[in-house]
Amino acid sequence: GAGVSQTPSNKVTEKGKYVELRCDPISGHTALYWYRQSLGQGPEFLIYFQGTGAADDSGLPNDRFFAVRPEGSVSTLKIQRTERGDSAVYLCASSSGQGNIQYFGAGTRLSVL
Amino acid sequence: QQQVKQSPQSLIVQKGGIPIINCAYENTAFDYFPWYQQFPGKGPALLIAIRPDVSEKKEGRFTISFNKSAKQFSLHIMDSQPGDSATYFCAASYTGATNKLIFGTGTLLAVQP
Repeated sequence: GAGVSQTPSNKVTEKGKYVELRCDPISGHTALYWYRQSLGQGPEFLIYFQGTGAADDSGLPNDRFFAVRPEGSVSTLKIQRTERGDSAVYLCASSSGQGNIQYFGAGTRLSVL
Repeated sequence: QQQVKQSPQSLIVQKGGIPIINCAYENTAFDYFPWYQQFPGKGPALLIAIRPDVSEKKEGRFTISFNKSAKQFSLHIMDSQPGDSATYFCAASYTGATNKLIFGTGTLLAVQP
């Protein structure tokens, strides 16, 4: 596609439920990042993939958060037992390689009621 | 752990004015300093970026000034227009790692007609 695509654009869920957020990076981009943006704040790094492997997951807040990229393209961020504090916009970015520009998607706005 | 401090939090200028947004960083290993622009409901988009081997970079109406010894950098928007009204984020990263971006807290800019 022309840009980074994230689905759904909005997700409302109840506390304790499981959610999956999807990211389709720009075609051919090997690097993929997930960030979380809380209201009025800058994005915060969660996890980085180079190809299929998670090269850096140091930003994941706890073990309820997990992400995969099985074929080196689409990535899914998974959140178990959601909490109200997980409410935020989850942004995905892709890059053609280390050191290059990161292109962001429009994000998924997650609301945990 | 906030490694990039951004000010002001918000800024109002008249059309044609020159808003200036400032950022300061702590980690001397940072070697890439981008500025992102974000409109409501959209993901951040790269405006301009600089590396520490130069003190200034200009692209169109946007200029980054960089002071390595002070560990500070700033964004200047020349001849600002109402369409520049958005949230601006500075960020920093360092090559050789994951290139994850560390963002400032953002500046909400309003350019009045």
